[in-house]
Amino acid sequence: AQSVTQPDIHITVSEGASLELRCNYSYGATPYLFWYVQSPGQGLQLLLKYFSGDTLVQGIKGFEAEFKRSQSSFNLRKPSVHWSDAAEYFCAVGAGPGTYKYIFGTGTRLKVLA
Amino acid sequence: KAGVTQTPRYLIKTRGQQVTLSCSPISGHRSVSWYQQTPGQGLQFLFEYFSETQRNKGNFPGRFSGRQFSNSRSEMNVSTLELGDSALYLCASRRTGTGGSYEQYFGPGTRLTVT
Repeated sequence: AQSVTQPDIHITVSEGASLELRCNYSYGATPYLFWYVQSPGQGLQLLLKYFSGDTLVQGIKGFEAEFKRSQSSFNLRKPSVHWSDAAEYFCAVGAGPGTYKYIFGTGTRLKVLA
Repeated sequence: KAGVTQTPRYLIKTRGQQVTLSCSPISGHRSVSWYQQTPGQGLQFLFEYFSETQRNKGNFPGRFSGRQFSNSRSEMNVSTLELGDSALYLCASRRTGTGGSYEQYFGPGTRLTVT
């Protein structure tokens, strides 16, 4: 069965520092992968997606993610974090052919120190 | 283009009551999915609707139901509310047809509190 693991529940970084949020997935074929961000009391905003092709994908707000099939990973990165990036980040995988259901990870809460 | 809208944004109900939540997808999006978000269980898929038909259903009891109208707007209903139904209910829409895609766009959610 498909699954997504986000090993880090909380991450704290200083403003201006680089960021990497980890995501590992379990899926039998080439997955559809997503990163979403959720600010307190808000819905989910799509940061970026991977369907196929170039394994390094660019998203909004300066985020990027790299798909590594050999490691079953899709880590999210940002070279310089801004205070406004403080939020919860969710990695998701499409559940497979015939469905548009997503399987979500448990989320990583990012805190940014001024 | 307006995003996904959900009404109401906040709701307080009593155990045993029923509730109906509404979702209007992005214009042109004909697929609507619903998710439940709780601190304990995280984000869980409830169901997906396309062309007024339920295409997929998550592992939730029959108290959870939904429907979709011809204008793609969707409602979900929870009957005989339990305390554990307190959650943020998120609706997501997806573009379908020619040029359709797999990614979903989420609304702000409806925060349901059951007392």
